Amino acid sequence: GDSVTQMEGPVTLSEEAFLTINCTYTATGYPSLFWYVQYPGEGLQLLLKATKADDKGSNKGFEATYRKETTSFHLEKGSVQVSDSAVYFCALSEMPNAGKSTFGDGTTLTVKP
Amino acid sequence: GAVVSQHPSRVICKSGTSVKIECRSLDFQATTMFWYRQFPKKSLMLMATSNEGSKATYEQGVEKDKFLINHASLTLSTLTVTSAHPEDSSFYICSAQAGGSTGELFFGEGSRLTVL
Repeated sequence: GDSVTQMEGPVTLSEEAFLTINCTYTATGYPSLFWYVQYPGEGLQLLLKATKADDKGSNKGFEATYRKETTSFHLEKGSVQVSDSAVYFCALSEMPNAGKSTFGDGTTLTVKP
Repeated sequence: GAVVSQHPSRVICKSGTSVKIECRSLDFQATTMFWYRQFPKKSLMLMATSNEGSKATYEQGVEKDKFLINHASLTLSTLTVTSAHPEDSSFYICSAQAGGSTGELFFGEGSRLTVL
């Protein structure tokens, strides 16, 4: 079955530091890949997505590139802010059951001023 | 983007009572919604897939008589935790997929259930 493995946390960085959260996946077909973010006490929000190999998803300074050869979708940001402190989830979905996503365990990021 | 609203955001109840949580898609129709449970510092555990007009599909290990799901319309799914006990205390989240999307999910704000 499908699975998503993401970097264990927690991750603690100083403001303006570079962020990488690793994510690798296994899937039987050609999944779409997502990063979701969860702020404390809230539901998840879509951060970015990529639907095919070599696509780069980007939003709010975050980027991730769909790498089929390494089955990876690592999340990066060049300069984090305190407001980026949250839990980040890597996920995939495959047709025909596109809505039934598989999630990683989540990585907690804390950014200190 | 599509908006999913969940209510209530927090609920405290006594052991043995039932609690209903609503999940609404505000600006799109959702034939399928998903219900998750999230334990502290853990990922989301898919509980069931809610299908409009038909029975929900439950994941293995989830008690369907304990967690009743009703999807009566294209914009509303409800989760009822019946005869709640302290071990049912958790953060419950719903999600829906908008038509024509590429698989991304739109999540409700979550509901924190505390059973005393």
